[in-house]
Amino acid sequence: DIQMTQSPSSRSASVGDRVTITCRASQSIRSYLNWYQQKPGKAPKLLIYDASSLQGGVPSRFSGSGSGTDFTLTISSLQPEDFATYYCQQSYSTPITFGGGTKVEI
Amino acid sequence: EVQLVETGGGLIQPGGSLRLSCAVSGLTVTSNYMTWVRQAPGKGLEWVSIIYSGGSTYYADSVKGRFTISRDNSKNTLYLQMNTLRAEDTAVYYCARGDCGRTSCYTFDCWGQGTLVTVSS
Repeated sequence: DIQMTQSPSSRSASVGDRVTITCRASQSIRSYLNWYQQKPGKAPKLLIYDASSLQGGVPSRFSGSGSGTDFTLTISSLQPEDFATYYCQQSYSTPITFGGGTKVEI
Repeated sequence: EVQLVETGGGLIQPGGSLRLSCAVSGLTVTSNYMTWVRQAPGKGLEWVSIIYSGGSTYYADSVKGRFTISRDNSKNTLYLQMNTLRAEDTAVYYCARGDCGRTSCYTFDCWGQGTLVTVSS
């Protein structure tokens, strides 16, 4: 199974901050990496797919990069609505696996 | 507009069975990859099972042999039959669509609101 490791597990930030979250896969997954945002009591929302492609309707302050085993989600200027938990997910093979999550909080 | 609505959750005793349903509108379940993902209280996301458009099914090791994913074409509904439930199966269960228009069909772009399953005596 492919293990996905996110860091940090939590991040304190302020509005306007640049925030970077990393995700590492236990083996190469090429660019088969997705990022989701989840707010309390809500379903996950797809933000980035194929490591760097922005899902429709997602603000351009979100961006993704990386390939192989190391990936990054960047929020260029944190907005109040961005305080949430972010998960990476490998879409390379089953069993599908998620990272442990990064909670971005004030 | 695509909509996925899960039902069937509730309180069940260990060893019991439960069937979750995911009623879908705006897309056809048989033409898509459909999956179940769960989230234990205060924990992260855990993939549970997937059914391909062609009908093949796959499961996480933690549920293999106990859970069965299926679909009903006429009702455009996805199911998860859960048997021999354990306390560690307690979670919110989400259904989602895997969009094969992407590079990978394991990219989940549409999600339901989730249904809570609590396994406890």
